[in-house]
Amino acid sequence: EAGVAQSPRYKIIEKRQSVAFWCNPISGHATLYWYQQILGQGPKLLIQFQNNGVVDDSQLPKDRFSAERLKGVDSTLKIQPAKLEDSAVYLCASSVDWRVNYGYTFGSGTRLTVV
Amino acid sequence: GENVGLHLPTLSVQEGDNSIINCAYSNSASDYFIWYKQESGKGPQFIIDIRSNMDKRQGQRVTVLLNKTVKHLSLQIAATQPGDSAVYFCAETLSGGSNYKLTFGKGTLLTVNP
Repeated sequence: EAGVAQSPRYKIIEKRQSVAFWCNPISGHATLYWYQQILGQGPKLLIQFQNNGVVDDSQLPKDRFSAERLKGVDSTLKIQPAKLEDSAVYLCASSVDWRVNYGYTFGSGTRLTVV
Repeated sequence: GENVGLHLPTLSVQEGDNSIINCAYSNSASDYFIWYKQESGKGPQFIIDIRSNMDKRQGQRVTVLLNKTVKHLSLQIAATQPGDSAVYFCAETLSGGSNYKLTFGKGTLLTVNP
């Protein structure tokens, strides 16, 4: 079974620039999550999708971050404009369904450096 | 959330020894807990989970203990191997809620010396 795919693996941008990350979850997984992991810390949930609807985006900085999952499969996370403090690894995860933990799997992440 | 900056708690053990990694969780209402292993450049990988109606659960070479009274989890790794070197995180959630949001604790860097 293929895992959660993320791209790019690395990205370096200047502050105030824009950046986008892509995630392809495990086939058949209805729930998709984006996490931000700052160096030395545990992942923090940014947004959770159930199919193509948002379940929880309470910790997403909506003034600069946006995410979509238009067809209920792939998802993109965008930052515009980026700040230095956005430097982190952005992890995507997916699970079969929001009600159970079965199959909850993380991708390898995109490491973003803002300079 | 908790902020440990760049300085993770660390645990250094000799190959073959047993390791114990501790975690304090934050929400007394949480009823489901997971331990994850994160190797450099990879996402967190599921190790073992436990529900709040249990106080101990065993897997292959790993045991998780839950003490709800003091909101404490521990992960025991038997006969630690160099491949166990990684950062370990505990995560908690309230499984009966309308979403399934994992809250991660502070990580611990485990280094296994051959």
